Amino acid sequence: QVQLQESGPGLVKPSQTLSLTCTVSGGSISSGGYYWSWIRQHPGKGLEWIGYIYYSGSTYYNPSLKSRVTISVDTSKNQFSLKLSSVTAADTAVYYCARAQAAGARYFDYWGQGTLVTVSS
Amino acid sequence: DIQMTQSPSSLSASVGDRVTITCQASQDISNYLNWYQQKPGKAPKLLIYDASNLETGVPSRFSGSGSGTDFTFTISSLQPEDIATYYCQQYDNLPGFTFGPGTKVDIK
Repeated sequence: QVQLQESGPGLVKPSQTLSLTCTVSGGSISSGGYYWSWIRQHPGKGLEWIGYIYYSGSTYYNPSLKSRVTISVDTSKNQFSLKLSSVTAADTAVYYCARAQAAGARYFDYWGQGTLVTVSS
Repeated sequence: DIQMTQSPSSLSASVGDRVTITCQASQDISNYLNWYQQKPGKAPKLLIYDASNLETGVPSRFSGSGSGTDFTFTISSLQPEDIATYYCQQYDNLPGFTFGPGTKVDIK
């Protein structure tokens, strides 16, 4: 059974960089076939896809966040990470990591539990 | 960009009622549409993929239909454990993904 677990600071100051890591267990990122994704949910709001990375390192980001987002992968640790720069209060949200199929039906089948990140001084 | 809308934004129904949610895409997305259930404080859970395919282990009271721009998600007999917010998600304009705004379902 694949499991994903987010980790990182729960509080980030405005203008700083938000950094989160997702650790994958029960499956190998380097086996391919999946987009390893970050999705966020503002308090009481809907879901916003941030971006994904493939095991090879190729990435794609939501155009609305592209200038501030970097997603990287460390296959040796079976982890992938999110960095979001120049954060403001508008980036306060629950951040989820998730796995999406990279072929056929492109759905998110495994999700982390989510981690709340608050942007505040 | 493909925009997704859902209606209603919220609904209240009685246990045993048939519940229907619609999702509309701003352009033709074929059947590239998935449905998720999210309970409070939990991550979303995949229910339906490719518009009408039931994910393994999901109760058969959940179903989906549609293609092109108009899609429907149905709970044939609402149960107390179905209280949640339901989201549609398209993947036609890959490499990106877009979620609908969600429909909150309550028990009357």
